[in-house]
Amino acid sequence: AQSVAQPEDQVNVAEGNPLTVKCTYSVSGNPYLFWYVQYPNRGLQFLLKYITGDNLVKGSYGFEAEFNKSQTSFHLKKPSALVSDSALYFCAVRDRFQKLVFGTGTRLLVSP
Amino acid sequence: GAVVSQHPSWVICKSGTSVKIECRSLDFQATTMFWYRQFPKQSLMLMATSNEGSKATYEQGVEKDKFLINHASLTLSTLTVTSAHPEDSSFYICSARPPGLAFNEQFFGPGTRLTVL
Repeated sequence: AQSVAQPEDQVNVAEGNPLTVKCTYSVSGNPYLFWYVQYPNRGLQFLLKYITGDNLVKGSYGFEAEFNKSQTSFHLKKPSALVSDSALYFCAVRDRFQKLVFGTGTRLLVSP
Repeated sequence: GAVVSQHPSWVICKSGTSVKIECRSLDFQATTMFWYRQFPKQSLMLMATSNEGSKATYEQGVEKDKFLINHASLTLSTLTVTSAHPEDSSFYICSARPPGLAFNEQFFGPGTRLTVL
């Protein structure tokens, strides 16, 4: 079965520093990978996706993610964090039934 | 971008009553909508896939008679929690996927917080 793992419950970073939110995947076949962000009491907002092509995917709000097939990872990155980036981030993979399977989420806390 | 709305954004009800939650795609037609449930500090769990004009497909362990889903039009899906109990209290989120490419991303509604007293 398709699955993703987010090993960190929380990531703390100072404003202006680069941030990385980790995600590893386990799929059979080609992975369709997604990152979403959730602000308190809100639905999820799409950040970016990897279907095929370049391993570095650029998304919304300055975020990008690097697809690494050998390490089965799809880490979310941003060169310079903002306090407003503080939120809950979900990695997801689409299974063969076209359903999204979500990771457990990583809370990002950016301090001023 | 594609917008999905949910109504109400929050609801409080008494145990034993039924609650209906609406999910609408505002600027696109969605043949498929999804209903998720999210517990505090946990991930989203898919409850069911709603297909316009046909019966919803429920995930294992989800009671179809308790969580009634109707997808009557290409822009509206409803989730009715019947005979709600306190353990049904949760954050319910819907999403919709535009037709066309199979790997289009889903667009999520803002969620509905249900509290059952």
